[in-house]
Amino acid sequence: AQSVTQLDSQVPVFEEAPVELRCNYSSSVSVYLFWYVQYPNQGLQLLLKYLSGSTLVESINGFEAEFNKSQTSFHLRKPSVHISDTAEYFCAVSDLSGNQFYFGTGTSLTVIP
Amino acid sequence: NAGVTQTPKFRILKIGQSMTLQCTQDMNHNYMYWYRQDPGMGLKLIYYSVGAGITDKGEVPNGYNVSRSTTEDFPLRLELAAPSQTSVYFCASSPGRASGNTIYFGEGSWLTVV
Repeated sequence: AQSVTQLDSQVPVFEEAPVELRCNYSSSVSVYLFWYVQYPNQGLQLLLKYLSGSTLVESINGFEAEFNKSQTSFHLRKPSVHISDTAEYFCAVSDLSGNQFYFGTGTSLTVIP
Repeated sequence: NAGVTQTPKFRILKIGQSMTLQCTQDMNHNYMYWYRQDPGMGLKLIYYSVGAGITDKGEVPNGYNVSRSTTEDFPLRLELAAPSQTSVYFCASSPGRASGNTIYFGEGSWLTVV
């Protein structure tokens, strides 16, 4: 079985500052890794994912995440945040079959003007 | 693009009542899931299905039932509602490995049991 740990439940950051949201996972098998974003009163939307290949993956709105196999981490970063990035962010892992996904407990990112 | 559609969006139930949360997807996905989201607890998998006629329990199945008679529909049944089932419920679907296991979520159903 897999599990996901998001080390920070809340991250306040000033607008235009950089941010890193941490995610570690445990698994004995190969996995796919995901970051989802949830805006207030909405469902989760895919932000980015790592399947294979380059360990650095990027989203269209400036976020990036790096898969580190030795540290079993998939931290999410953005060099300069905007007010509109305020949301809940979830890290997730699935095995290659896709039968089940495991989500972290979420990190609430608040961007302060 | 309808995607994953859940109904109702909001519902208040009395203890002991039963209800069904409806979920339908129009993407022809084989995999479907029901999650519940509680504050500070992330998402917990209730049930999932890998295709029509096949369902299986997730992490927190007690108090719930599902069926999957068609590829499109995956209703979640709450029997004898309890206050502990007050939560936000999300239905989701995935095409599986064909698209890297990406999950697509519905908008959520807010359920309060009083």
